[in-house]
Amino acid sequence: GQQVMQIPQYQHVQEGEDFTTYCNSSTTLSNIQWYKQRPGGHPVFLIQLVKSGEVKKQKRLTFQFGEAKKNSSLHITATQTTDVGTYFCAGLRSTSYDKVIFGPGTSLSVIP
Amino acid sequence: SAVISQKPSRDICQRGTSLTIQCQVDSQVTMMFWYRQQPGQSLTLIATANQGSEATYESGFVIDKFPISRPNLTFSTLTVSNMSPEDSSIYLCSVCLQGMNTEAFFGQGTRLTVV
Repeated sequence: GQQVMQIPQYQHVQEGEDFTTYCNSSTTLSNIQWYKQRPGGHPVFLIQLVKSGEVKKQKRLTFQFGEAKKNSSLHITATQTTDVGTYFCAGLRSTSYDKVIFGPGTSLSVIP
Repeated sequence: SAVISQKPSRDICQRGTSLTIQCQVDSQVTMMFWYRQQPGQSLTLIATANQGSEATYESGFVIDKFPISRPNLTFSTLTVSNMSPEDSSIYLCSVCLQGMNTEAFFGQGTRLTVV
C-alpha cells in the first residue's frame, strides 16, 4: 500500500538554528498537507500544497512540494521555543480521493 | 473553520469493558473520521463515519471492535469494545468541511488507558 515517510524522526536544535523535515511518498500525491501537534495537543493544520513545485511561506516556515508530487519539505528559519512539537505531513492519493495518509511525523525540540 | 467537542478527554478502563467516545461538531459536515494515535506515533485512520449508512473501516479495523454511529451531520460516536491494554491510545475525531482535499479539523482527543 501507499506509504508516506518522514525524516528525521527526531530533531533537537538550539534556539535560532534552522530546521527541516522531509516527507516522501511511494506514489504520486494529489496534494500534501502539513500539521503541527504540540505536546499533549491535537494536530492543527498549517498548510496545503497542490501544484507541482509549489512553494509557500508562512512567516519563518517555508513549505515545498516536489516537481513529481511525491515529496515535500518544511523548513523553519531561526527556530523558537514556540516551534516545539511534532510536524506531520499528510498526503492525499492521486488515484482516489478517499484517504489521507499521515506520515510518521518529525518531533522537534528547541533548546533555549 | 470547525469547532469539535470530543469527550471524554481521558478515561481509565478495565479490560473487557467498552468505552464510547462522542464527537460533536458546531456545523454540519459530510466527512467525519476517527483516528487512533498511539503514544509517540502517527495518526492511523480507523474509519470514515458515514451519515445514514455503515461506517467504512480501514484495513485492520472491524465493526465489532470499533462500532461507529453517525445519526446526523454534526455528531458521531466511536465505541472501543471488549478493551485490552493494546487499545490504550489517543482516539481523535476529525472533520473535513469541503472534501478530502481540504484541511482537517481535529477534536481534542480521548486519551484511553486500559488496565
